[in-house]
Amino acid sequence: SAVISQKPSRDICQRGTSLTIQCQVDSQVTMMFWYRQQPGQSLTLIATANQGSEATYESGFVIDKFPISRPNLTFSTLTVSNMSPEDSSIYLCSCLGGLGFYEQYFGPGTRLTVT
Amino acid sequence: QKEVEQNSGPLSVPEGAIASLNCTYSDRVSQSFFWYRQYSGKSPELIMSIYSNGDKEDGRFTAQLNKASQYVSLLIRDSQPSDSATYLCMKTSYDKVIFGPGTSLSVIP
Repeated sequence: SAVISQKPSRDICQRGTSLTIQCQVDSQVTMMFWYRQQPGQSLTLIATANQGSEATYESGFVIDKFPISRPNLTFSTLTVSNMSPEDSSIYLCSCLGGLGFYEQYFGPGTRLTVT
Repeated sequence: QKEVEQNSGPLSVPEGAIASLNCTYSDRVSQSFFWYRQYSGKSPELIMSIYSNGDKEDGRFTAQLNKASQYVSLLIRDSQPSDSATYLCMKTSYDKVIFGPGTSLSVIP
């Protein structure tokens, strides 16, 4: 399985600012994913990030609000732009690993609080 | 109908008992199914995957899949207090990934 790290682990931000979350994998992976998990809720997929192409966003998420970069096979960033308190959540990145298709492994998450 | 449904719980079982977690889904094209465990404040960790009808066993865990009835379950034998967590069911159909809302399990010593 892949080992994933995220930075920052948590942050408190002011309304209207932007935060970029970094995700680093210890091996080369084709597909990386960004999720949001709001308090007491399950995971919601924001977008899929493939190296060399634009991210694919799920319904309800747009590139202007959540721009994603995927410069190489081990790294991705998610920016939460023009933040509001509703963006307070845990943001998780994941990648595919193992032998099975869609077996995902998750980073430790970034806990974001917007005041 | 939600695409993936789970009882939110909490499900409480005594230590040493079998915990049974269920997940139903709404379509007939879903291909792969996964169970994740998430401790409070931590990220999800993969427990098991199952792709074919029937049972799949891994240690104390058994996943059961019935595509005709559109359900997948996870049995935890000899439940331990360390199994207390939220269990998330995930399915994929083509390129779509959907997580269920999760079931909170509490194993009482």
